[in-house]
Amino acid sequence: DTAVSQTPKYLVTQMGNDKSIKCEQNLGHDTMYWYKQDSKKFLKIMFSYNNKELIINETVPNRFSPKSPDKAHLNLHINSLELGDSAVYFCASSRLRRGANEKLFFGSGTQLSVL
Amino acid sequence: AQKITQTQPGMFVQEKEAVTLDCTYDTSDQSYGLFWYKQPSSGEMIFLIYQGSYDEQNATEGRYSLNFQKARKSANLVISASQLGDSAMYFCAMRDPGAQKLVFGQGTRLTINP
Repeated sequence: DTAVSQTPKYLVTQMGNDKSIKCEQNLGHDTMYWYKQDSKKFLKIMFSYNNKELIINETVPNRFSPKSPDKAHLNLHINSLELGDSAVYFCASSRLRRGANEKLFFGSGTQLSVL
Repeated sequence: AQKITQTQPGMFVQEKEAVTLDCTYDTSDQSYGLFWYKQPSSGEMIFLIYQGSYDEQNATEGRYSLNFQKARKSANLVISASQLGDSAMYFCAMRDPGAQKLVFGQGTRLTINP
Protein backbone atom coordinates (compact mmCIF):
# COMPACT_ATOMS: atom_id res chain seq x y z
CA ASP A 1 0.00 0.00 0.00
CA THR A 2 1.83 3.09 -1.29
CA ALA A 3 2.07 5.91 1.26
CA VAL A 4 2.49 8.81 -1.19
CA SER A 5 1.43 8.08 -4.73
CA GLN A 6 1.65 10.41 -7.68
CA THR A 7 0.54 10.00 -11.25
CA PRO A 8 1.63 9.87 -13.96
CA LYS A 9 5.17 8.60 -13.54
CA TYR A 10 6.15 9.88 -16.99
CA LEU A 11 4.68 12.82 -18.87
CA VAL A 12 5.84 13.76 -22.35
CA THR A 13 4.16 16.74 -23.95
CA GLN A 14 4.56 19.59 -26.42
CA MET A 15 5.43 23.17 -25.56
CA GLY A 16 2.37 25.27 -24.89
CA ASN A 17 0.22 22.42 -23.60
CA ASP A 18 -1.44 22.28 -20.18
CA LYS A 19 -0.89 19.26 -17.94
CA SER A 20 -1.66 18.06 -14.43
CA ILE A 21 0.10 15.82 -11.93
CA LYS A 22 -1.90 14.22 -9.15
CA CYS A 23 -0.74 13.27 -5.68
CA GLU A 24 -2.41 11.40 -2.84
CA GLN A 25 -1.15 10.35 0.59
CA ASN A 26 -2.73 7.77 2.88
CA LEU A 27 -0.61 8.55 5.92
CA GLY A 28 -3.04 10.95 7.54
CA HIS A 29 -0.48 13.75 7.29
CA ASP A 30 -1.48 17.41 7.55
CA THR A 31 1.13 18.89 5.20
CA MET A 32 1.93 18.22 1.55
CA TYR A 33 4.60 19.61 -0.75
CA TRP A 34 5.70 19.88 -4.33
CA TYR A 35 9.44 19.79 -5.01
CA LYS A 36 11.17 20.20 -8.37
CA GLN A 37 14.38 18.31 -9.19
CA ASP A 38 16.28 19.85 -12.07
CA SER A 39 18.69 18.21 -14.50
CA LYS A 40 21.55 18.69 -12.04
CA LYS A 41 19.54 16.79 -9.40
CA PHE A 42 19.00 19.86 -7.25
CA LEU A 43 15.79 19.65 -5.21
CA LYS A 44 13.89 22.84 -4.55
CA ILE A 45 10.57 23.37 -2.87
CA MET A 46 7.80 24.88 -4.96
CA PHE A 47 4.69 24.79 -2.80
CA SER A 48 3.44 23.56 0.52
CA TYR A 49 -0.11 23.08 1.77
CA ASN A 50 -1.31 22.47 5.28
CA ASN A 51 -4.85 21.16 5.62
CA LYS A 52 -5.80 22.57 2.21
CA GLU A 53 -4.24 25.97 2.98
CA LEU A 54 -1.32 27.26 0.91
CA ILE A 55 1.57 28.05 3.25
CA ILE A 56 4.62 28.17 0.96
CA ASN A 57 4.84 29.53 -2.57
CA GLU A 58 8.47 29.85 -3.55
CA THR A 59 8.64 32.33 -6.43
CA VAL A 60 7.19 29.87 -8.87
CA PRO A 61 5.79 31.23 -12.16
CA ASN A 62 2.04 31.61 -11.97
CA ARG A 63 1.70 29.08 -14.81
CA PHE A 64 2.02 26.58 -11.96
CA SER A 65 -1.11 26.26 -9.86
CA PRO A 66 -1.39 23.81 -7.00
CA LYS A 67 -4.77 22.66 -5.78
CA SER A 68 -5.61 20.77 -2.61
CA PRO A 69 -9.22 19.52 -2.53
CA ASP A 70 -8.61 17.88 0.85
CA LYS A 71 -5.62 17.26 3.07
CA ALA A 72 -4.88 13.88 1.45
CA HIS A 73 -4.59 15.29 -2.07
CA LEU A 74 -2.37 17.87 -3.70
CA ASN A 75 -2.42 18.31 -7.45
CA LEU A 76 -0.19 20.43 -9.66
CA HIS A 77 -1.50 22.02 -12.82
CA ILE A 78 0.90 23.59 -15.28
CA ASN A 79 -0.28 25.91 -18.04
CA SER A 80 1.53 26.80 -21.26
CA LEU A 81 4.39 24.38 -20.69
CA GLU A 82 7.89 25.58 -21.57
CA LEU A 83 11.08 23.67 -22.34
CA GLY A 84 12.54 24.77 -18.99
CA ASP A 85 9.73 23.04 -17.13
CA SER A 86 11.29 19.68 -17.99
CA ALA A 87 12.26 18.15 -14.64
CA VAL A 88 11.24 15.57 -12.09
CA TYR A 89 8.43 16.74 -9.84
CA PHE A 90 8.11 15.15 -6.43
CA CYS A 91 5.13 15.20 -4.17
CA ALA A 92 5.84 14.74 -0.45
CA SER A 93 4.04 14.84 2.87
CA SER A 94 4.88 15.33 6.52
CA ARG A 95 2.86 14.73 9.65
CA LEU A 96 2.93 18.38 10.72
CA ARG A 97 3.86 21.68 9.11
CA ARG A 98 6.29 22.69 11.84
CA GLY A 99 8.94 20.80 13.77
CA ALA A 100 12.63 20.27 13.24
CA ASN A 101 12.14 16.49 13.21
CA GLU A 102 9.36 16.36 10.62
CA LYS A 103 10.75 14.15 7.88
CA LEU A 104 9.28 14.11 4.41
CA PHE A 105 7.75 11.05 2.80
CA PHE A 106 8.16 11.27 -0.97
CA GLY A 107 6.19 9.99 -3.89
CA SER A 108 8.05 8.23 -6.68
CA GLY A 109 8.30 11.35 -8.83
CA THR A 110 6.91 12.45 -12.20
CA GLN A 111 9.40 12.84 -15.03
CA LEU A 112 8.08 15.70 -17.17
CA SER A 113 9.59 16.14 -20.61
CA VAL A 114 8.53 19.15 -22.67
CA LEU A 115 9.37 18.86 -26.37
CA ALA B 1 18.47 31.62 5.79
CA GLN B 2 19.32 27.96 5.90
CA LYS B 3 22.06 26.64 3.69
CA ILE B 4 23.29 23.10 3.09
CA THR B 5 26.55 22.33 1.29
CA GLN B 6 27.74 19.00 -0.06
CA THR B 7 31.19 19.54 -1.53
CA GLN B 8 31.69 16.10 -3.11
CA PRO B 9 29.88 15.87 -6.45
CA GLY B 10 31.01 12.26 -6.85
CA MET B 11 32.64 9.53 -4.76
CA PHE B 12 34.06 6.18 -5.85
CA VAL B 13 34.56 3.47 -3.24
CA GLN B 14 35.48 -0.20 -3.30
CA GLU B 15 32.85 -2.64 -2.12
CA LYS B 16 33.04 -3.44 1.62
CA GLU B 17 34.92 -0.25 2.43
CA ALA B 18 33.45 2.44 4.68
CA VAL B 19 32.57 5.76 3.07
CA THR B 20 31.95 9.22 4.49
CA LEU B 21 29.77 11.71 2.64
CA ASP B 22 30.32 15.30 3.73
CA CYS B 23 27.64 17.80 4.65
CA THR B 24 27.99 21.24 6.20
CA TYR B 25 25.15 23.54 7.09
CA ASP B 26 24.52 27.10 8.10
CA THR B 27 21.72 28.31 10.29
CA SER B 28 21.20 30.86 13.03
CA ASP B 29 18.65 28.66 14.79
CA GLN B 30 19.51 26.63 17.88
CA SER B 31 16.88 24.02 17.14
CA TYR B 32 17.04 22.22 13.82
CA GLY B 33 16.97 18.76 12.28
CA LEU B 34 19.37 17.15 9.82
CA PHE B 35 18.34 14.41 7.41
CA TRP B 36 19.93 12.18 4.83
CA TYR B 37 18.06 10.76 1.85
CA LYS B 38 19.15 8.25 -0.77
CA GLN B 39 18.02 8.42 -4.40
CA PRO B 40 18.87 5.28 -6.39
CA SER B 41 18.79 5.25 -10.19
CA SER B 42 15.11 4.24 -10.04
CA GLY B 43 14.44 7.78 -8.79
CA GLU B 44 12.59 7.45 -5.49
CA MET B 45 13.69 9.38 -2.40
CA ILE B 46 14.45 7.10 0.53
CA PHE B 47 14.85 8.47 4.07
CA LEU B 48 17.98 7.12 5.76
CA ILE B 49 18.69 8.86 9.02
CA TYR B 50 17.82 11.86 11.21
CA GLN B 51 19.79 13.88 13.76
CA GLY B 52 18.30 16.55 16.02
CA SER B 53 20.45 19.52 17.00
CA TYR B 54 19.95 18.75 20.68
CA ASP B 55 20.69 15.03 20.37
CA GLU B 56 23.85 14.26 22.31
CA GLN B 57 24.48 10.92 20.64
CA ASN B 58 25.23 10.48 16.95
CA ALA B 59 22.31 8.85 15.16
CA THR B 60 22.71 5.32 13.83
CA GLU B 61 20.46 3.19 11.61
CA GLY B 62 21.94 -0.16 10.67
CA ARG B 63 24.99 0.48 8.46
CA TYR B 64 24.32 4.22 8.45
CA SER B 65 25.59 6.61 11.08
CA LEU B 66 25.67 10.35 11.23
CA ASN B 67 28.88 12.02 12.42
CA PHE B 68 27.41 15.16 13.96
CA GLN B 69 29.85 17.93 14.89
CA LYS B 70 27.74 20.81 16.03
CA ALA B 71 30.53 23.35 16.57
CA ARG B 72 31.80 22.75 13.05
CA LYS B 73 28.25 22.66 11.67
CA SER B 74 28.82 19.37 9.93
CA ALA B 75 26.63 16.29 9.65
CA ASN B 76 28.52 13.69 7.65
CA LEU B 77 26.93 10.39 6.67
CA VAL B 78 29.03 7.29 7.28
CA ILE B 79 28.16 4.07 5.49
CA SER B 80 29.97 1.05 6.85
CA ALA B 81 30.79 -2.04 4.77
CA SER B 82 29.52 -0.56 1.52
CA GLN B 83 27.53 -2.72 -0.88
CA LEU B 84 26.89 -2.46 -4.62
CA GLY B 85 23.31 -1.45 -3.83
CA ASP B 86 24.58 1.65 -2.04
CA SER B 87 25.39 3.22 -5.41
CA ALA B 88 23.04 6.21 -5.59
CA MET B 89 22.69 9.96 -5.10
CA TYR B 90 22.76 11.01 -1.46
CA PHE B 91 21.20 14.22 -0.22
CA CYS B 92 21.74 16.02 3.05
CA ALA B 93 18.85 18.21 4.19
CA MET B 94 17.99 20.50 7.06
CA ARG B 95 14.82 21.72 8.66
CA ASP B 96 14.30 24.29 11.36
CA PRO B 97 11.04 24.44 13.30
CA GLY B 98 9.86 27.68 11.76
CA ALA B 99 10.84 27.12 8.13
CA GLN B 100 8.11 24.58 7.41
CA LYS B 101 10.18 22.96 4.69
CA LEU B 102 13.21 20.76 4.10
CA VAL B 103 16.16 22.45 2.40
CA PHE B 104 18.45 20.14 0.43
CA GLY B 105 22.12 20.16 -0.47
CA GLN B 106 23.35 19.60 -4.02
CA GLY B 107 23.81 15.87 -3.53
CA THR B 108 26.73 13.46 -3.85
CA ARG B 109 26.75 10.64 -6.39
CA LEU B 110 28.25 7.55 -4.73
CA THR B 111 29.50 4.70 -6.89
CA ILE B 112 30.50 1.41 -5.29
CA ASN B 113 32.97 -0.62 -7.36
CA PRO B 114 33.08 -4.42 -7.11
